[in-house]
Amino acid sequence: AQSVTQLGSHVSVSEGALVLLRCNYSSSVPPYLFWYVQYPNQGLQLLLKYTTGATLVKGINGFEAEFKKSETSFHLTKPSAHMSDAAEYFCAVSDQRTVSGGSEKLVFGKGTKLTVNP
Amino acid sequence: DGGITQSPKYLFRKEGQNVTLSCEQNLNHDAMYWYRQDPGQGLRLIYYSQIVNDFQKGDIAEGYSVSREKKESFPLTVTSAQKNPTAFYLCATKSQGASQPQHFGDGTRLSIL
Repeated sequence: AQSVTQLGSHVSVSEGALVLLRCNYSSSVPPYLFWYVQYPNQGLQLLLKYTTGATLVKGINGFEAEFKKSETSFHLTKPSAHMSDAAEYFCAVSDQRTVSGGSEKLVFGKGTKLTVNP
Repeated sequence: DGGITQSPKYLFRKEGQNVTLSCEQNLNHDAMYWYRQDPGQGLRLIYYSQIVNDFQKGDIAEGYSVSREKKESFPLTVTSAQKNPTAFYLCATKSQGASQPQHFGDGTRLSIL
């Protein structure tokens, strides 16, 4: 069964500093991986996804993530943090246990809350 | 305007009362999902539906019920059997294919009076 581990429930950075949010997954099949962002009292918004092909994926708001199969990782980065990046971030892997008419569920990590200090 | 509409935004439940949370979508997505979110626990799947008139239990279905009579609608009922219903509830939809992302509504916050 798939699972996702997000290292660090809270990450704090200074404005302008590098943002690095860590995600490791386990999957018995080639994974589909997603990063979502959630602002307070709102739903989740898709930042980026990896399906196949290029392992460096660019998303919205200047974020990108790199799929590393050997490390089973999909870390999210942004070169320079803005105050508006303060939010909670979720990594997820697609459950592909049944491909034909499959369950197509997402397994989420527990989230990382990002604080950006002025 | 395409999207997912959850209502109400805030809901209060009295002891012994059932309440229903609404989720409507006009994205023409086949699959719909209900999640419960508690601080520090991420998202936990309550129920999901791949097609009309069919749905499956998720990881924490006890104390909840759903229906899927129309493609556009997937209401969630929190029954009196759910002893700790205070949480943020999120509805999501998805088109076919495991590589497709889920799209989320803005959530309903349920509290106990």
